[in-house]
Amino acid sequence: QVQLVQSGAEVKKPGASVRVSCEASGYTFTTYDINWVRQATGQGLEWLGWLNTDSGDTGYAQKFQDRITLTRDTSSSTVYMELSGLKSEDTAVYYCARFPSEDSSGFWPPYWGQGTLVTVS
Amino acid sequence: SYELTQPPSVSVSPGQTARITCSGDALPKQYAYWYQQKPGQAPVLVIYKDSERPSGIPERFSGFNSGTTVTLTISGVQAEDEADYHCQSTDSTKSYWVFGGGTKLTVL
Repeated sequence: QVQLVQSGAEVKKPGASVRVSCEASGYTFTTYDINWVRQATGQGLEWLGWLNTDSGDTGYAQKFQDRITLTRDTSSSTVYMELSGLKSEDTAVYYCARFPSEDSSGFWPPYWGQGTLVTVS
Repeated sequence: SYELTQPPSVSVSPGQTARITCSGDALPKQYAYWYQQKPGQAPVLVIYKDSERPSGIPERFSGFNSGTTVTLTISGVQAEDEADYHCQSTDSTKSYWVFGGGTKLTVL
């Protein structure tokens, strides 16, 4: 079955960087994009960016353009999200996700990682 | 940057119909997706491509696109439907994804 397993919780100082990993299994890694979404406590979902796992191409939300980097390691089916210049407002749960998609086989539902709490303090 | 607008909260009594709206300029051309999220859990897709329902989602959940507004309708609301609901779509060029601010559904 499809699984996205993320790395554990992080505590960082303001100004530092954090890197969160997302290991995919149960499907051909390079077939689907991986997206990153965050959610601060009591707030809505916020999309950060996507990575094409085949080409390595990326797209970032304008708000995070200067601070976020998404990379992948196809040998381990892992995507990495690095966020720099951390501020207290970056405290949130960070999710990797395979968003809904359709292909010749039909509709594929979304899959989410378990979430990684990043605390900036 | 592109935005999707949802009401912060909606309240209904059990058995009634809840309607949650999501407005955005690109919605006439881009599909909308709806997620249900309960505390401490990852979001669960309840509607895709404006009005399609994934397998396992109760028939009381439906979606409709009326142009720049999409609506999630929950008919015969049950206590277990109390949750946050988030709409999702892309900008007009499909360059990036965006979520609405989320709507808290309260079952009175």
